[in-house]
Amino acid sequence: EDQVTQSPEALRLQEGESSSLNCSYTVSGLRGLFWYRQDPGKGPEFLFTLYSAGEEKEKERLKATLTKKESFLHITAPKPEDSATYLCAVPVRSNDYKLSFGAGTTVTVRA
Amino acid sequence: NAGVTQTPKFQVLKTGQSMTLQCAQDMNHNSMYWYRQDPGMGLRLIYYSASEGTTDKGEVPNGYNVSRLNKREFSLRLESAAPSQTSVYFCASRGDRDYSPLHFGNGTRLTVT
Repeated sequence: EDQVTQSPEALRLQEGESSSLNCSYTVSGLRGLFWYRQDPGKGPEFLFTLYSAGEEKEKERLKATLTKKESFLHITAPKPEDSATYLCAVPVRSNDYKLSFGAGTTVTVRA
Repeated sequence: NAGVTQTPKFQVLKTGQSMTLQCAQDMNHNSMYWYRQDPGMGLRLIYYSASEGTTDKGEVPNGYNVSRLNKREFSLRLESAAPSQTSVYFCASRGDRDYSPLHFGNGTRLTVT
């Protein structure tokens, strides 16, 4: 069964304290991995698509990387506005492009 | 540019009542999806529609029905609400190109008492 697991569940950081979030997956024949950001009371907002192992994408203080079994979202020198829940998702094995989501990592950055 | 619009934003139902959640997108996407989000469980797919006129079950379809009214609109119906259906419901749409991401609405928070 395809599975997506994110760790840790929650992360509390001091402003400027860099850290990483993990997303591990068991789906074979990966057809992309997606990272989303979700603010309280809002829908998930798309951040990155990673297409294949070895790929990296960056956006402001966020950098996403992908290996054959997991992806990392690195947050460098975070600010309070980076506080959010970060979700990763992969397409499940089927003919249709359905995404399976991890439960998310809630990041809180204190000033 | 509205993207994906969901109505209502909040709803409280009593057990056994019915309701329809509405979703519309203005991005000319063929694929549309309904997810539910519960604490600690992430987003789970209820139903999806790969194109106008087609719908298919996702991971947790029991207790729900859907209608793809046209290319823009995809509604989710609860025929007889149960407390286990208390959740936040998200509609999403997706373009046709490979690796296109899902675009989400801001959700409907549903409480069934």
